[in-house]
Amino acid sequence: GEQVEQLPSILRVQEGSSASINCSYEDSASNYFPWYKQEPGENPKLIIDIRSNMERKQIQELIVLLDKKAKRFSLHITDTQPGDSAMYFCAADGNEKITFGAGTKLTIKP
Amino acid sequence: EAAVTQSPRSKVAVTGGKVTLSCHQTNNHDYMYWYRQDTGHGLRLIHYSYVADSTEKGDIPDGYKASRPSQENFSLILELASLSQTAVYFCASSDWGGYTGQLYFGEGSKLTVL
Repeated sequence: GEQVEQLPSILRVQEGSSASINCSYEDSASNYFPWYKQEPGENPKLIIDIRSNMERKQIQELIVLLDKKAKRFSLHITDTQPGDSAMYFCAADGNEKITFGAGTKLTIKP
Repeated sequence: EAAVTQSPRSKVAVTGGKVTLSCHQTNNHDYMYWYRQDTGHGLRLIHYSYVADSTEKGDIPDGYKASRPSQENFSLILELASLSQTAVYFCASSDWGGYTGQLYFGEGSKLTVL
């Protein structure tokens, strides 16, 4: 089945700066790449996604890039705020099921 | 908004005992999933289903059974609970079965096996 690697596992950035999380996948047939944010004690919630027919997608301060040839995709959060502190999970779809990366704990330093 | 509810929200079980986690969705979604999350780890797929009365194995099905008696309900069954099954379990539903389908998660069920 699909395997998704996510790095880094821990990320600390200064408030107002940018944060980047990188993921790679193995199955070239995967065509949907969502990102989920999970606050402590809460369930994961979709924040942005990208399909294989796109290379870049932006929703406000969130930017997702997809490089299908390299089988890599990434999340970039610009102008980070304290509310961005959370766990972030990348994922890739693969034949009826979505496989998640191990997660990145993002902490925004004031 | 999509609604997925899980019960119980928290449970303490004894090793060797039987545990049933229940999930109910009111979204009219075909696909339902059970994931487990361990502290500091991602979400790993245990079982999923795309139609009532049928279930499929996910990536870590050993030690778990699943039941989908109706479109709305999906249960995860641990026949002989073990210490290693202590985790938070999330149920989710989606429209498209992963092909560009958003997952809607329940609030999670925290299982502690002693």
